[in-house]
Amino acid sequence: EVQLVESGGGVVRPGGSLRLSCAASGFIFGDFAMSWVRQAPGKGLEWVSGISWNGDSIGYADSVKGRFTISRDNAKKSLYLQMNSLRVEDTALYHCARLLSSSWFENWFDPWGQGTLVTVSS
Amino acid sequence: SYEVTQPPSVSVSPGQTASITCSGDKLGDKYACWYQQKPGQSPVLVIYQDTKRPSGIPERFSGSSSGNTATLTISGTQAMDEADYYCQAWDSSTGYVFGTGTKVTVL
Repeated sequence: EVQLVESGGGVVRPGGSLRLSCAASGFIFGDFAMSWVRQAPGKGLEWVSGISWNGDSIGYADSVKGRFTISRDNAKKSLYLQMNSLRVEDTALYHCARLLSSSWFENWFDPWGQGTLVTVSS
Repeated sequence: SYEVTQPPSVSVSPGQTASITCSGDKLGDKYACWYQQKPGQSPVLVIYQDTKRPSGIPERFSGSSSGNTATLTISGTQAMDEADYYCQAWDSSTGYVFGTGTKVTVL
C-alpha cells in the first residue's frame, strides 16, 4: 500500500522557521516526482512546490519562492520542505503528494498524505 | 497568473446526475484533473487527463473537456459522493492551479 506520512508541523512565530518531512512507503520513491500542497483552515488547495525524481528540477509557487526550499533523499525515501521567514498567511495543513511521473510539472497528485499542520502566530 | 473557477455548490438528488464545471482561459488546451475531498480527509484523485479514471474509482465518475470548460459528472449520485470537489490544471507560467472547490450536497 502506498503511504505518505508527514511530520514536523507545529506553532511558530512570524519570521520563524520549520522543516517538514514526508516519509514514503509502498512504492519506489526514486521513480516519482513529489510535491507539497497546502490547505489553509476552511479554505481550498494551494500548490506550494514540486521536485523531480532526482532533485535536479524544482518549482515553487510565487507565494513561497525565496522562503521555502524543497528537497528529497531517495535513500531515505523522504521528502522535505524547509520553511523560512514564515508569515501568518502560511498557516495551513501541508500535504505531501506523489506526482504520477518522474517530472514535477504538467502532472497530477496521487496519493496524498494526511498532512501536518503549521500554525504561524504571534 | 492563470486561474480556474468553479461554482461554490451543486445540489443533487440521490440517483440523479451531478455536473461540476471548471472554467479557465483555453482550459481545453490543457489537461484537467479532479479531486474529491470529504470532511477531515485528504483529497483523492477521481479523474486525470480530462477523462481518465484511476483504478478503484467508481464508473459513475466521468470527465470531459472542451473549449474553456472541463466538467466532472457523477452519474447515479450516492450519499457517499457528498464532498468537496476541486479541479486542477497546469500552467507553464503559474504552476499547478486549483479551482476554488465545489461542495456537492446530496439532498
